[in-house]
Amino acid sequence: EIVMTQSPATLSVSPGERATLSCRASQSINSNLAWYQQKYGQAPRLLIFGASTRATGIPARFGGSGSGTEFTLTISSLQSEDFAVYYCLQYDNWPPFTFGQGTKLEIK
Amino acid sequence: EVQLVESGGGLVQPGGSLRLSCAASGFTLISYALSWVRQAPGKGLEWVSTISDSGRNTYYADSVKGRFTISRDNSKNTLYLQMDTLRADDTAVYYCARHSASYCSSPICKNWFDPWGQGTLVTVSS
Repeated sequence: EIVMTQSPATLSVSPGERATLSCRASQSINSNLAWYQQKYGQAPRLLIFGASTRATGIPARFGGSGSGTEFTLTISSLQSEDFAVYYCLQYDNWPPFTFGQGTKLEIK
Repeated sequence: EVQLVESGGGLVQPGGSLRLSCAASGFTLISYALSWVRQAPGKGLEWVSTISDSGRNTYYADSVKGRFTISRDNSKNTLYLQMDTLRADDTAVYYCARHSASYCSSPICKNWFDPWGQGTLVTVSS
């Protein structure tokens, strides 16, 4: 089973600033990584797939990078609606599909 | 519009059973693999089970293997999750999700989940 580790667990950032979230895989997953945003009481929303491709309708301030075992989600110029929990998902080697434990992005 | 709507959640006693449904619309169900993902209160996301587009192949997390059964009725555009011998640690919101690629369901296929339903809450408690 591939273990996904996200850091930090909580990230405090001011609106308008940049946020950088990390996700590490226990073995190479090539670029088979997705990022999801989840707001309280809502279903996860796809942001990024293929490590760096934005999903339909996702603003350009969301960017993904990385391959192999190290991945990054960057949100430039944070908006109020961006404060949420973010999860990474590996789909390179399944079953099982595995998620990171999440990073909570909170207002500083 | 592609849409998934779960139903069937509720309160059940430990050892009991429950069947969840996920009604799909806006796309041809038979073209896609589907999965269930759950989220315990205040916790992260956990993959539960996947079924291939035809329904012939199923996959389960170790935590539910032998207790849960995933199935689908493509004629009714509906996905199911039969949950038996429920335990307190099965308490969670259960989401259904469509795989990203059509006509490619095996583990060779690199599919992410999109879209997701809104979820249905299952509470296992006496």
